[in-house]
Amino acid sequence: QSVLTQPPSVSGAPGQRVTISCTGSSSNIGAGYDVYWYQQLPGTAPKLLIYDNTNRPSGVPDRFSGSNSGTSASLAITGLRTEDEADYYCQSYDSTLSGSVFGTGTKVTVL
Amino acid sequence: QLQLQESGPGLVKPSETLSLTCTVSGASISSSSFYWGWVRQSPGKGLQWIGSIFYSGSVYYSGTTYYNPSLRSRVTISVDTSNNQFSLKLNTETAADTAVYYCARHHVGSGWYRGPAYFDSWGQGTLVTVSS
Repeated sequence: QSVLTQPPSVSGAPGQRVTISCTGSSSNIGAGYDVYWYQQLPGTAPKLLIYDNTNRPSGVPDRFSGSNSGTSASLAITGLRTEDEADYYCQSYDSTLSGSVFGTGTKVTVL
Repeated sequence: QLQLQESGPGLVKPSETLSLTCTVSGASISSSSFYWGWVRQSPGKGLQWIGSIFYSGSVYYSGTTYYNPSLRSRVTISVDTSNNQFSLKLNTETAADTAVYYCARHHVGSGWYRGPAYFDSWGQGTLVTVSS
């Protein structure tokens, strides 16, 4: 059972904005550990989307943005495109578990 | 260009040892900026971190490992610097260990936290089925 909780699914029409929440606790996000986000297209390995809460690796469109507050974090996708249909995972470090933890994952559907 | 490639048997019997190797090209496994880790994904399920190892050649930090507490008793991760590889050994229990196993570069934290942080490069993954 993951210590980071995400909604199972979110959906939106092309061009719309969607957000994915990642709810943690005082031993991970709330303790100040950074949050990272990954995109996993069907049948492929995860790809880093956001690191250190808000930073995008080279090549990741600025349609993707991250934020966090308190014990939660969010990933926003603006200008939704059909190629954004994928599973998205948050990840952080948990001091109680002394290790990395992934969120439960969210499937984004473009209507 | 950094590349990671998993290799190993695709079928393992329950109670036997699952052994996988990740070959790294385009970067030295002895870099002080990175851990090297394993993540798995059971069919239709989410990602689970297995463990990560740090090897810089320093006698004080060589071979430092972090393991997922839920798997710690069954897992060993090691490094082979001569071949620029790192390996996973998992004592399997049941079909619940069936998963796609990914190796990945685990970047060190850049702020006040200097432990294993995010996975910035992944192998393509290899499916390991645990079945008799």
